Amino acid sequence: GAVVSQHPSWVICKSGTSVKIECRSLDFQATTMFWYRQFPKQSLMLMATSNEGSKATYEQGVEKDKFLINHASLTLSTLTVTSAHPEDSSFYICSASFGSSYNSPLHFGNGTRLTVT
Amino acid sequence: SQKIEQNSEALNIQEGKTATLTCNYTNYSPAYLQWYRQDPGRGPVFLLLIRENEKEKRKERLKVTFDTTLKQSLFHITASQPADSATYLCALGLEDKIIFGKGTRLHILP
Repeated sequence: GAVVSQHPSWVICKSGTSVKIECRSLDFQATTMFWYRQFPKQSLMLMATSNEGSKATYEQGVEKDKFLINHASLTLSTLTVTSAHPEDSSFYICSASFGSSYNSPLHFGNGTRLTVT
Repeated sequence: SQKIEQNSEALNIQEGKTATLTCNYTNYSPAYLQWYRQDPGRGPVFLLLIRENEKEKRKERLKVTFDTTLKQSLFHITASQPADSATYLCALGLEDKIIFGKGTRLHILP
């Protein structure tokens, strides 16, 4: 149980275009999902916390107008990278908590490798 | 400043031996700590969670300790196998978020 599916697994886009990444909890309802990005040999950096039916909470330094997060249902959250630039190239990973409290383990998708040319 | 530090970027251990990974933190007061395994190009997979009032947790060949005085957690894999080779991440459970260390790449040598 507690499977999180992320799509696409990789995407290449041209500079200036937008890319949407989907994160679905397949067999449980996720009131909260988290979006991380990871650079090679670096830690997972929390970008934002996504709550169903409300606005996402962004971490300091993350541009909310550039990284649009929508959590329209209990099983789907999307991250849209708008007007992507080469420096946005990274590994983006979503996660969801099976429980309702923050001390529950996180279940991660398999990530999306974004390359902006 | 707040930091999470995991020991050496890479660790080589002979098959069958015990691998010990460390996670130290400063200027945080986590209510719990988690360990994850991450394989290349994949998302992390949850392994163990230990709460601040727990000293030790075990699961099969895995053992985690948590010392809130030293601000340190140790992660042990006993009878290590080549299939245990991966990057292991520690994560601090704070009031409203979970934050991760950089991870330690573990290589189990056959």
